[in-house]
Order: sequence, then C-alpha cells, then structure tokens
Amino acid sequence: KNEVEQSPQNLTAQEGEFITINCSYSVGISALHWLQQHPGGGIVSLFMLSSGKKKHGRLIATINIQEKHSSLHITASHPRDSAVYICAVRSGSGGGADGLTFGKGTHLIIQP
Amino acid sequence: KAGVTQTPRYLIKTRGQQVTLSCSPISGHRSVSWYQQTPGQGLQFLFEYFSETQRNKGNFPGRFSGRQFSNSRSEMNVSTLELGDSALYLCASSLAVSGGQKYFGPGTRLTVT
Repeated sequence: KNEVEQSPQNLTAQEGEFITINCSYSVGISALHWLQQHPGGGIVSLFMLSSGKKKHGRLIATINIQEKHSSLHITASHPRDSAVYICAVRSGSGGGADGLTFGKGTHLIIQP
Repeated sequence: KAGVTQTPRYLIKTRGQQVTLSCSPISGHRSVSWYQQTPGQGLQFLFEYFSETQRNKGNFPGRFSGRQFSNSRSEMNVSTLELGDSALYLCASSLAVSGGQKYFGPGTRLTVT
C-alpha cells in the first residue's frame, strides 16, 4: 500500500511570498496529482504528473521519480491561493485496488 | 461544457437506512471514480468505473456498492448506514480508462443521525 506524506501540514505566509509544498510517497507510481480544495468542499485538479515539471500560471509542479518526491510551488502568492492542497498518487502496479491514495493535505493561508 | 454534477448535494439519513447518490460525468468522459472525505481519514478511494465495469475498488465494506450506466452516469449505494458514514462523497470523471486528469463534482454531504 502506498503511503503519501505531505509537508507542511499548515502554512501561513504573507502575500507575495514563494510557497513550496512537498509530497513524498513510498511505492512506485504511474501518476501523481495535485489538487486544490477551497472551503465548501469543491476540488480542482491542478496538475497530473508522471515525470518532470509542469507550469500553469503562477503554479509549478515537479516530480522526482527516483526520489519518490514531488513539490508544488506557488510564485507571487495571493490571498485567493488560500486553500487546502492535496497530493494524490496512483500506484503503478496495476493490480488490485489501484485507485488514488491521498495525502492529508496542506492547509495554506496567505495573508494580505 | 457542463461540469460533473452530483445529486443530491445534501442528505440527512438515519442509522440503518440506505442511501443512493448520483454522479453525472462530463460529456464524453467514460471513467467515474468515487471518494469519501471525512475530517479524520481525509480523502479515501471508494471505487472506479469505466464502460459500466468496476475497474478498481478501495478498502471499504460490502455495504458500499456502485454501478455505472450505459450513458456513463454512476450511482453509489450505502446500505445499513452507520454514524461513521457521515462524510462528503465526491465523484470525479476522466477520459482515460484508469488515469488521466480528473474533474471533480461538488460532492454530496451525507449526515447520518
């Protein structure tokens, strides 16, 4: 079973700061997802990665398959970035239950 | 393009009852997956369907079941409800068989009393 660890659990920063959220997993994967959840429950998929790096606006996601580690970066953070960020992995074995396994989430607050 | 829709959005049930939740995926998406979110356990995978077939199942008791129809709409059912089943139930749709970018619905918040 894949174990997914996120750090930090909680992060408060000032507007404009560069933010990094980390995700580590224990078993080889076929894909890693970064999700954003705002109060009220709605989840938005930010990135799906299997290798390398992806960028969308002020968000950047990287993954290192050898080290079993991914990071989500937010540049020029803004109060509207305040949300819970969740890392999820799909194991690469293909057998049995290979749905997504989720981290506990990082609760990010950006203060004006 | 319309997003993923879930009905109902809120539901209150009593212990021992059963409940059926519905999910309509984005048009053209044939994969639907279901998740349970609770404050204690976070997000957990329930099951995944593609073309009316269950592809994967998470570690939940047999009281939790689901199905997918020929139009890709999916339902999940929970029988003999327990207090611990109170949660936000989310579904997500994707194009790919088991993988690909996922698009989440707004969720159904189930309260069991």
